[in-house]
Amino acid sequence: QSVLTQPPSASGTPGQRITISCSGSSSNIGSNYVYWYQQLPGTAPKLLIYKNDQRPSGVPDRFSGSKSGTSASLAISGLRSDDEGDYFCAAWDDSLSVLFGGGTKVTVL
Amino acid sequence: QVQLVESGGGVVQPGRSLRLSCAASGLTLSNYAMHWVRQAAGKGLEWVATTSFDGDNKFYADSVKGRFTISRDNFKNTLFLQMNSLRGEDTAVYYCARALDTALGSVAYWGQGTLVTVSS
Repeated sequence: QSVLTQPPSASGTPGQRITISCSGSSSNIGSNYVYWYQQLPGTAPKLLIYKNDQRPSGVPDRFSGSKSGTSASLAISGLRSDDEGDYFCAAWDDSLSVLFGGGTKVTVL
Repeated sequence: QVQLVESGGGVVQPGRSLRLSCAASGLTLSNYAMHWVRQAAGKGLEWVATTSFDGDNKFYADSVKGRFTISRDNFKNTLFLQMNSLRGEDTAVYYCARALDTALGSVAYWGQGTLVTVSS
């Protein structure tokens, strides 16, 4: 099973808006929902976005997701120092497997 | 309070077996598909296995197929991962995670993980 493609790193200053991309194919992102997770240092992943663009209760609206074709994006606006961590995308693949992106490390400068 | 709590991790020699458990509380496990996902130190997330809400359908990553078995006991609200013929590359934190519902395609809420170290 292959992985979804994410940039290894992203950064911004406090208050800025950054975006993280996630690229797949027609058998995963192109035909199934995308999910995004935040993993802060030393903790388990936390669901940030489900079904492409839906936020679970308790997730600030600074986080938003979108999908177009075989790619998806996570945007973080009003960047804060406690947003530093790793961000992963995921999607079901029609080969009956779950694919994860390699992860993007977000740094707040 | 909804919780998934993994247990059963530890240090094991190559070629030996280990059984992980994931106890669910505050929710009815039979309402959800369930997954195991692992993460080696400093690495990304790797999907391991998925089971349907009723346990009738199971899917595995190529890296563990034939060695690992996912199962569930909905009466005990518990998910399992039987790991046989362990290798050094199986060393990781193992997370159980539930789906949003009975559909297979979502990995939503995660436990805190249990560390498995395969070493002689």
